[in-house]
Amino acid sequence: DVKVTQSSRYLVKRTGEKVFLECVQDMDHENMFWYRQDPGLGLRLIYFSYDVKMKEKGDIPEGYSVSREKKERFSLILESASTNQTSMYLCASTLGQGRAQYFGPGTRLLVL
Amino acid sequence: QKEVEQDPGPLSVPEGAIVSLNCTYSNSAFQYFMWYRQYSRKGPELLMYTYSSGNKEDGRFTAQVDKSSKYISLFIRDSQPSDSATYLCAIDNQGGKLIFGQGTELSVKP
Repeated sequence: DVKVTQSSRYLVKRTGEKVFLECVQDMDHENMFWYRQDPGLGLRLIYFSYDVKMKEKGDIPEGYSVSREKKERFSLILESASTNQTSMYLCASTLGQGRAQYFGPGTRLLVL
Repeated sequence: QKEVEQDPGPLSVPEGAIVSLNCTYSNSAFQYFMWYRQYSRKGPELLMYTYSSGNKEDGRFTAQVDKSSKYISLFIRDSQPSDSATYLCAIDNQGGKLIFGQGTELSVKP
């Protein structure tokens, strides 16, 4: 069974704080993704990574950065949290192109 | 035009009904199609995966791809209250990334 875990289910942060969201997968998947999900906007891709130390911008990378030092771990960083980054953040992983993505449970982030 | 279009609903049906969920897409080169189910405040879970055209059945769920019409469907037979969730279609864009529909919110009433 594929398992994708995210470090927190709920987070409350203040504007301007640096926020780290961690994602770990245990299936030796090559590719990992970070999305945010907002009502009416669906799932939007923030960043993705095809390999260790590699990263690619998704559709909405502004205000975010990522880190992938190990194959199983992909971190999303909000350098200076803002209220418009309040959202549900979802991590996913996949073996490769044409393969299904497997999602973690999500982190609900509230920025005050 | 969006690459993937999905009616957001909401859709409300009585228990036992047959449910039909649909998406259309724009690029005829797409070949990998998925359906995800997402319960409230949870991450999406993979429900069905199909390659190219045709049908795939898994229990009460059937996924159908019509590449000539660029139309994908998910049918749920004998729907149950536990099927109440948001259903997302997703298509691999050949670059390893998925393009998601907006999701259709389904409610099955006892």
